[in-house]
Amino acid sequence: DTGVSQDPRHKITKRGQNVTFRCDPISEHNRLYWYRQTLGQGPEFLTYFQNEAQLEKSRLLSDRFSAERPKGSFSTLEIQRTEQGDSAMYLCASSLKGTSGNTIYFGEGSWLTVV
Amino acid sequence: AQSVSQHNHHVILSEAASLELGCNYSYGGTVNLFWYVQYPGQHLQLLLKYFSGDPLVKGIKGFEAEFIKSKFSFNLRKPSVQWSDTAEYFCAVKSTGGGNKLTFGTGTQLKVEL
Repeated sequence: DTGVSQDPRHKITKRGQNVTFRCDPISEHNRLYWYRQTLGQGPEFLTYFQNEAQLEKSRLLSDRFSAERPKGSFSTLEIQRTEQGDSAMYLCASSLKGTSGNTIYFGEGSWLTVV
Repeated sequence: AQSVSQHNHHVILSEAASLELGCNYSYGGTVNLFWYVQYPGQHLQLLLKYFSGDPLVKGIKGFEAEFIKSKFSFNLRKPSVQWSDTAEYFCAVKSTGGGNKLTFGTGTQLKVEL
């Protein structure tokens, strides 16, 4: 499978713990995005990278959230001191600048449940 | 800031019925428009997109959408739905003036009954 892959697919954690999600984009895609989706809502933009540079961050991305893409390939999203309100699906997506209008392809998401 | 409204949250149709899902966006500049579909247990998949040119765009699986600039709308249509079209449908907009984020609507849950 050459699509966007995310790991883990499901994570249950206790409030206050830290969690980290990993995303491997489609090979050669230079843009990588993180979105969050809660039940009954559409995905909400969190942040995006072009290569290793984080170019845009949403106000939704509080200080407890940090995303990295150290070598311009895979990315990690860490949530520190999780809260119940962090429970959501975290979606990763990727695109290739300059092709097909930068069509964005999504992964299957990582479900987070904070108890 | 751009926003997207999908007025139909739940739609139930019988097989062979025609489908139209509404999508309106709010943004003053030039936009790219998308419809994504999420089948049960699967990831978001692109159905179709509009960037420029012919405002009537055709996508996969017999879906089409029409961009009406004066109405800020991008409604999704299919002449005859199938049971396999049961899914959640999301409209999304991206401004062309910089930035690369997609702004999504809240989605429409479509159920097609046999």
